[in-house]
Amino acid sequence: DAGVTQSPTHLIKTRGQQVTLRCSPISGHKSVSWYQQVLGQGPQFIFQYYEKEERGRGNFPDRFSARQFPNYSSELNVNALLLGDSALYLCASRDGGHFSYEQYFGPGTRLTVT
Amino acid sequence: AQKITQTQPGMFVQEKEAVTLDCTYDTSDPSYGLFWYKQPSSGEMIFLIYQGSYDQQNATEGRYSLNFQKARKSANLVISASQLGDSAMYFCAMREDAFSSGSARQLTFGSGTQLTVLP
Repeated sequence: DAGVTQSPTHLIKTRGQQVTLRCSPISGHKSVSWYQQVLGQGPQFIFQYYEKEERGRGNFPDRFSARQFPNYSSELNVNALLLGDSALYLCASRDGGHFSYEQYFGPGTRLTVT
Repeated sequence: AQKITQTQPGMFVQEKEAVTLDCTYDTSDPSYGLFWYKQPSSGEMIFLIYQGSYDQQNATEGRYSLNFQKARKSANLVISASQLGDSAMYFCAMREDAFSSGSARQLTFGSGTQLTVLP
């Protein structure tokens, strides 16, 4: 079975531009979470979606937005990019059941803002 | 206060030896879960082991075991018989069930420990 997939793998953008990152969860998983990992730090929670609804949002500005589609894939959008947005963006999926605890992470999208 | 503290930025261990990676946490949530992830240089986070706050026994998964000391709020990872492929960044993370944003059940990560296994 395919794991969590993310695209693109790498991305270079200029300050002020907008970017869209994509994530496909493991088949059957209804919950998708997004994390930002700045170099040298642990990942930080950005969003979680379950059944196409936002279930949680971390401490990120409104420039960050996301959505989940009927097939449970997800997009993370970042507007007006800043140099500080340069990071590895990780997507994680979970089946969403009450007793499920394990989050499966994708390989990430490495975003560089110049 | 930091919710997850990993005080060892880097650790070295000889191949075939055991190593303990430290993790302390801070929460007032009575229900929470503790996780360890491995992150190789490729970037993908690989789940290693989970311990629930109400679990009576320490979790074990193959060569990985979690030394859970609830009163001390510590959840150290023990890797037995280290292998060269164990060289990676290791992250401790916590999920707080009552305090999560909505029902997000998001993870809060520590700053990680870079483990290097020496031949």
